[in-house]
Amino acid sequence: DAKTTQPPSMDCAEGRAANLPCNHSTISGNEYVYWYRQIHSQGPQYIIHGLKNNETNEMASLIITEDRKSSTLILPHATLRDTAVYYCIVRGLYNQGGKLIFGQGTELSVKP
Amino acid sequence: DTEVTQTPKHLVMGMTNKKSLKCEQHMGHRAMYWYKQKAKKPPELMFVYSYEKLSINESVPSRFSPECPNSSLLNLHLHALQPEDSALYLCASSPQFYNEQFFGPGTRLTVL
Repeated sequence: DAKTTQPPSMDCAEGRAANLPCNHSTISGNEYVYWYRQIHSQGPQYIIHGLKNNETNEMASLIITEDRKSSTLILPHATLRDTAVYYCIVRGLYNQGGKLIFGQGTELSVKP
Repeated sequence: DTEVTQTPKHLVMGMTNKKSLKCEQHMGHRAMYWYKQKAKKPPELMFVYSYEKLSINESVPSRFSPECPNSSLLNLHLHALQPEDSALYLCASSPQFYNEQFFGPGTRLTVL
């Protein structure tokens, strides 16, 4: 079973920041938080991952709370092309053999 | 070449047919994966290959038979499928099993 809880859907205005929350209260010390997204009819796309520090790349920022029980993915200036299902995944790198266990995700709709 | 390719894009087969799905990557990745995704559901892991050896089989029925003939190629052989096996079949690869995964666009399979 997925170890994360996400809201089923969210809306965001184009050009505004999209903040997608994820709860992972049972996360273990050696488990990372990964974010993927899936645009309709395409394969999932890796966005970002982190262990405990905040992370930023060209796509997004990942903010992890100090207790690591929740995180937020931030798309700083959402565009219509960011409309997708966003999956937050908790993953132990070395003890799960490469498994990605997807939860239900958040369906983000970016509106003009 | 920085992508995972999958062929065919669409496949329709009868329950007595034998068919194969193909996945290819030329990024030098040593881990490859098959996922199954039903409509409106998240992807579910089926198989993991690491260095051309099967490392994870998520209790997939034997009518699905994976094969990794070399480090760039992953096949999924299909035989005697059921209509409920109709789904999007996604292939992914990663440098090693503990790295982020890159997904192909998928093969949409319909079993009649």
